[in-house]
Amino acid sequence: SQKIEQNSEALNIQEGKTATLTCNYTNYSPAYLQWYRQDPGRGPVFLLLIRENEKEKRKERLKVTFDTTLKQSLFHITASQPADSATYLCALHRQAGTALIFGKGTTLSVSS
Amino acid sequence: GAVVSQHPSWVICKSGTSVKIECRSLDFQATTMFWYRQFPKQSLMLMATSNEGSKATYEQGVEKDKFLINHASLTLSTLTVTSAHPEDSSFYICSAPGTFENQPQHFGDGTRLSIL
Repeated sequence: SQKIEQNSEALNIQEGKTATLTCNYTNYSPAYLQWYRQDPGRGPVFLLLIRENEKEKRKERLKVTFDTTLKQSLFHITASQPADSATYLCALHRQAGTALIFGKGTTLSVSS
Repeated sequence: GAVVSQHPSWVICKSGTSVKIECRSLDFQATTMFWYRQFPKQSLMLMATSNEGSKATYEQGVEKDKFLINHASLTLSTLTVTSAHPEDSSFYICSAPGTFENQPQHFGDGTRLSIL
């Protein structure tokens, strides 16, 4: 079955630094991969989607890369701020049109 | 943008009580909705797929008689946890898929269920 691993449960960085989160997956070749942000006690909020034919996607201070050979996606937040503190989830579709499968998430803490 | 409203946001009740959670798509129609459960420091785990006008599809290991799903209209899906017990305490989240296959899902804000 499809497995998604986000190798760091927690990441602590200082304000202004770049946070890099990793997502690895197995047993599947997804057409696209998504990243979500989840705050405590809230539902996930969509951030970025990257397709298999895209190497990189950017949105403001966020950047996502997708390496289908390594079966890995990297999620970067540049010039991080305390407000970026949250849990970040990587997600894939098991099959087209079905529900998402999520990693456990990486909880990012940005200290000022 | 598309909004999914989930209610209630927090429920505390006694063991043996049945609890209903509502999930509404506010500005679009959703023929399909997904119900997830999330335990502390764990990933969202899909419980079932709710289909308007037909039976829900449950994931392996999820008791369909305990977690009743009804999707009676294009804007409302409900999850009823019947005879809830402390081990059912969790964070329940619904979502609706995007219009097209490669679009993100829209999530409700979740329901924190605590069974005493």
